Amino acid sequence: EIVMTQSPATLSVSPGERATLSCRASQSVSSNLAWYQQKPGQAPRLLIYGASTRDTGIPARFSGSGSGTEFTLTISSLQSEDFAVYYCQQYNNWLLVTFGGGTKVEIK
Amino acid sequence: QVQLQESGPGLAKPSETLSLTCTVSIGSVSSGSYYWTWIRQPPGKGLEWIGYMFSSGTTSYNPSLKSRVTISVDTSRNQISLKLSSVTAADTAVYFCVRGAGGIFDYWGQGTLVTVSS
Repeated sequence: EIVMTQSPATLSVSPGERATLSCRASQSVSSNLAWYQQKPGQAPRLLIYGASTRDTGIPARFSGSGSGTEFTLTISSLQSEDFAVYYCQQYNNWLLVTFGGGTKVEIK
Repeated sequence: QVQLQESGPGLAKPSETLSLTCTVSIGSVSSGSYYWTWIRQPPGKGLEWIGYMFSSGTTSYNPSLKSRVTISVDTSRNQISLKLSSVTAADTAVYFCVRGAGGIFDYWGQGTLVTVSS
C-alpha cells in the first residue's frame, strides 16, 4: 500500500495570504496525484489531477506541482470560501488508491 | 440537480450486513468510460476507498475490506449497490458513491451516514 502523508495537519492563514500544502508518497506515484477540497457536511470536490491540472471550473488561484513522491498544493490568495480540508490521493496504483490524512486550512 | 444519490438504512446492528444503493443520473452505469466507486469517511476522519466496479463487471476491493465487501450494478435501474457484512462500530462512517475515471474521482454523491450500534 502506498502511504500518503500530508503536512501540516492544520494550517492557519489570513484571508488574502498564500497557503502551501504538502503531500508525500511512500513510493513514487509519478504524476498520478489528485487534490480534493472538502467543506463541512459536504462531499469532497476534485480540484487538481495529474499533479497539476485544474479540474473544470477550479479557480486559477489553486495550483499543484510535484512528481514522484513530493507534491504541493498552493492557494495563491486565500478567499473565505477556501477554508476547508484538503486531501491528496494517489492513483498510480489503481487497485489500491489511497488518500492522505488531510490538511485543514483555517482562518488565522 | 442530483447526480449520484445514496440511500439506505442509517443504522446497522453489529454483525449484520450494511446495504446501500446509489442511484446514478449522470449517465449510464454501463458506460465503459467510467467506473463506480464507494468511499467512506468515519466521523471526523479521513477518506477510505472501499472498492470499484467497472462496466465490464470487474471489481476491485480494498484488501482491508475485501472479505466483507460486495459492489454490484443494476443496469436496469442505473444503480450501484454496496454490501458490507459483519459490521462493527469501526464501520460507522459516511458512505459516498463516486464516479471514477482514470483513477480520479470527479463526481461524488452527498454521502449517507451509517451508524453501527445495537
